[in-house]
Amino acid sequence: GQNIDQPTEMTATEGAIVQINCTYQTSGFNGLFWYQQHAGEAPTFLSYNVLDGLEEKGRFSSFLSRSKGYSYLLLKELQMKDSASYLCAGMDSNYQLIWGAGTKLIIKP
Amino acid sequence: GAVVSQHPSRVICKSGTSVKIECRSLDFQATTMFWYRQFPKKSLMLMATSNEGSKATYEQGVEKDKFLINHASLTLSTLTVTSAHPEDSSFYICSAGYREYEQFFGPGTRLTVL
Repeated sequence: GQNIDQPTEMTATEGAIVQINCTYQTSGFNGLFWYQQHAGEAPTFLSYNVLDGLEEKGRFSSFLSRSKGYSYLLLKELQMKDSASYLCAGMDSNYQLIWGAGTKLIIKP
Repeated sequence: GAVVSQHPSRVICKSGTSVKIECRSLDFQATTMFWYRQFPKKSLMLMATSNEGSKATYEQGVEKDKFLINHASLTLSTLTVTSAHPEDSSFYICSAGYREYEQFFGPGTRLTVL
């Protein structure tokens, strides 16, 4: 079956770094996505990885290991506005997104 | 960037009535649009995939007569919740396929059925 696993909740301190892990099992693989979702809003795109390695975009970086079925999202220099849910989604061979339940990130001052 | 709009953003209706939600791709043509439902603290659940000019493909467990989807043009898809009941209350989100691997999401519609 297809499955995406990520932690339910994480807490971090403003200014610090946090890594959110995601493991995936999909029927075929056409990439791994990370989205940010604030309460009551639709998800917004953060990153897309289809090749192994680390992709950096400002304060956010995303890593993929296809052999391990593993990805992480790294957030640096955390700000209070980064408090949100972070959704990991794998794209299967039919180009459909398989979603994780999301990781609620709580940032404390 | 690609923009997807949804209307209305919030709707409250009485049990037994029907509600239509519109999803529009504003600056690109989307041959495929997706409709999701999100329950509190749960992942997004794909309800159906809508292709322009053809019938929508519904996911298992989603009642096609309950959730009517129409994709009349390359920029508009509609979801109609028929004979809505309180258990249909949810956050409905559409997305439009931009490239092979990319979807852009609408802002979502919060439906409350009294």
